[in-house]
Amino acid sequence: KAGVTQTPRYLIKTRGQQVTLSCSPISGHRSVSWYQQTPGQGLQFLFEYFSETQRNKGNFPGRFSGRQFSNSRSEMNVSTLELGDSALYLCASSVSSGDNEQFFGPGTRLTVL
Amino acid sequence: GDSVTQMEGPVTLSEEAFLTINCTYTATGYPSLFWYVQYPGEGLQLLLKATKADDKGSNKGFEATYRKETTSFHLEKGSVQVSDSAVYFCALSDMGSNYKLTFGKGTLLTVNP
Repeated sequence: KAGVTQTPRYLIKTRGQQVTLSCSPISGHRSVSWYQQTPGQGLQFLFEYFSETQRNKGNFPGRFSGRQFSNSRSEMNVSTLELGDSALYLCASSVSSGDNEQFFGPGTRLTVL
Repeated sequence: GDSVTQMEGPVTLSEEAFLTINCTYTATGYPSLFWYVQYPGEGLQLLLKATKADDKGSNKGFEATYRKETTSFHLEKGSVQVSDSAVYFCALSDMGSNYKLTFGKGTLLTVNP
């Protein structure tokens, strides 16, 4: 069974631009969560989607948004990029919302110049 | 709110040494506890978990016991290998926070031959 896939793996953008990251969950998994990993703040929860609905949201500004499609694939978007948005963005999938076991993808490394 | 505190390291050991990484938590409810491992350039992998008090999670020689009285979930391994070199994250999830994962800052472990 294929694992969680994230595309692209690496991205370089400049301040003010916007970016869209994609996550394909494990087949049969309907919940997708997004996390931001930085050296200073560590791993922080962004949001969770289940059945195309946002179920949970972390403490990030409105520039960070996401969505989920009917096939459970998810995208997150960051608008008006800032230098501080440089991070590894991790996606995790689970069978359902509230499931104890989340499986992580390899991440997308975003660099903002 | 929920929080996880773990020794930040870095921890450097010789092969076959005993490993302990301390982890304590604060949670509003009755959380599930996890240890994740991140190898260089990769996403997070679930190493072990425990869902109720006195449960012992174990995998690949690593163990951790859910201690409700001391709110702790320390990771141990009797004999580490060079291949165990990675960053280890303690995490929790509970119903009060809609099951989002709350992570510690991570502990970098380096095992020398």
